[in-house]
Amino acid sequence: DAGVTQSPTHLIKTRGQQVTLRCSPKSGHDTVSWYQQALGQGPQFIFQYYEEEERQRGNFPDRFSGHQFPNYSSELNVNALLLGDSALYLCASSPDRGQGYTFGSGTRLTVV
Amino acid sequence: GQQVMQIPQYQHVQEGEDFTTYCNSSTTLSNIQWYKQRPGGHPVFLIQLVKSGEVKKQKRLTFQFGEAKKNSSLHITATQTTDVGTYFCAVSGGYQKVTFGIGTKLQVIP
Repeated sequence: DAGVTQSPTHLIKTRGQQVTLRCSPKSGHDTVSWYQQALGQGPQFIFQYYEEEERQRGNFPDRFSGHQFPNYSSELNVNALLLGDSALYLCASSPDRGQGYTFGSGTRLTVV
Repeated sequence: GQQVMQIPQYQHVQEGEDFTTYCNSSTTLSNIQWYKQRPGGHPVFLIQLVKSGEVKKQKRLTFQFGEAKKNSSLHITATQTTDVGTYFCAVSGGYQKVTFGIGTKLQVIP
């Protein structure tokens, strides 16, 4: 039973560029949430997708956007990258009425 | 939204010693979740507590939810080097949105 898969694992981008991160949820999970984790910090909620719509959003600017596809997979897009966007981006899936997230291994984004 | 504070932020223990991390809130929590993140890894769900005064055990780990549902603790008995990592408490709010604390980083000295 595959868990949550994320791609790519590492990425280096230049300030001002755009990036797309991808996530495939665990089989049977229909809710996908994205988190940003800076070094030494706890994961910060970006947004959550359910039934292909953004259901909740954290305190992140509009430069952060996402999408969920009919097969429940999801993308996180970040435009106009800033140095401060460098972080580990985690995708987590859950059944809509379940308990606990299953996290992917994350994408380490470095903005230079 | 619901927020939680965790203490301590860092803890060094000798292998074999016990370890406890605490999670506190100023408001009544609907539930509390605990996650473990190994160095270089991703958070792994450990448990969810829902009931007032609930106590659950997983081998050497004991999880408690306070009677007032405003605090929780994770206690590890006789730590091992495999316990190294950061332990996060988190609150699941509406639509399964999970808000994480800052975490307690545990170092175990062999």
